[in-house]
Amino acid sequence: DTAVSQTPKYLVTQMGNDKSIKCEQNLGHDTMYWYKQDSKKFLKIMFSYNNKELIINETVPNRFSPKSPDKAHLNLHINSLELGDSAVYFCASSPDSSEAFFGQGTRLTVV
Amino acid sequence: AQSVTQLDSQVPVFEEAPVELRCNYSSSVSVYLFWYVQYPNQGLQLLLKYLSGSTLVESINGFEAEFNKSQTSFHLRKPSVHISDTAEYFCAVSRSNDYKLSFGAGTTVTVRA
Repeated sequence: DTAVSQTPKYLVTQMGNDKSIKCEQNLGHDTMYWYKQDSKKFLKIMFSYNNKELIINETVPNRFSPKSPDKAHLNLHINSLELGDSAVYFCASSPDSSEAFFGQGTRLTVV
Repeated sequence: AQSVTQLDSQVPVFEEAPVELRCNYSSSVSVYLFWYVQYPNQGLQLLLKYLSGSTLVESINGFEAEFNKSQTSFHLRKPSVHISDTAEYFCAVSRSNDYKLSFGAGTTVTVRA
């Protein structure tokens, strides 16, 4: 009964490939996020959706495309992967601005 | 826009000793403040938060943080640490009407016996 679950946990792929990371939350929250944690552990928001609508879109290459089929799911698709995309990607959800619940992360390694 | 500065990148500490992790923020509007903990190879877990009211907030595992508006700080303290407190600690801030969390760079706490 994991609250925020991401798949896969680990992803190793070659440069130029296209890959997706899936996220699901069973908390009934309206808002979901994608955060990126780089090799120095710095966390930065990428996207946020509220009730399936995009509300935050930070300066992210357009090779990254989030998709929210319903408010319990927020997937991240990445086209033409580059070495610099290697990072840990965290999905999160929140009921409001008072707290965010994070998934376990997806460690993406591009070789 | 708000920003967060964690003044210590690494804090080594002996078991049962006290620890303080410093966090300063900058914002021109009211903010919510958070401390998250990340254990090795895991996701982030909320440790404690300040939304309003009492400026001293506590967690269930002995941590506390105090919101100081005049110094724009939200330092985290624990009077006696355990080996299991070894982790990365992140201070974060959001505007009270915003959904975006801005994180500090993190503080690595290593507890030694």
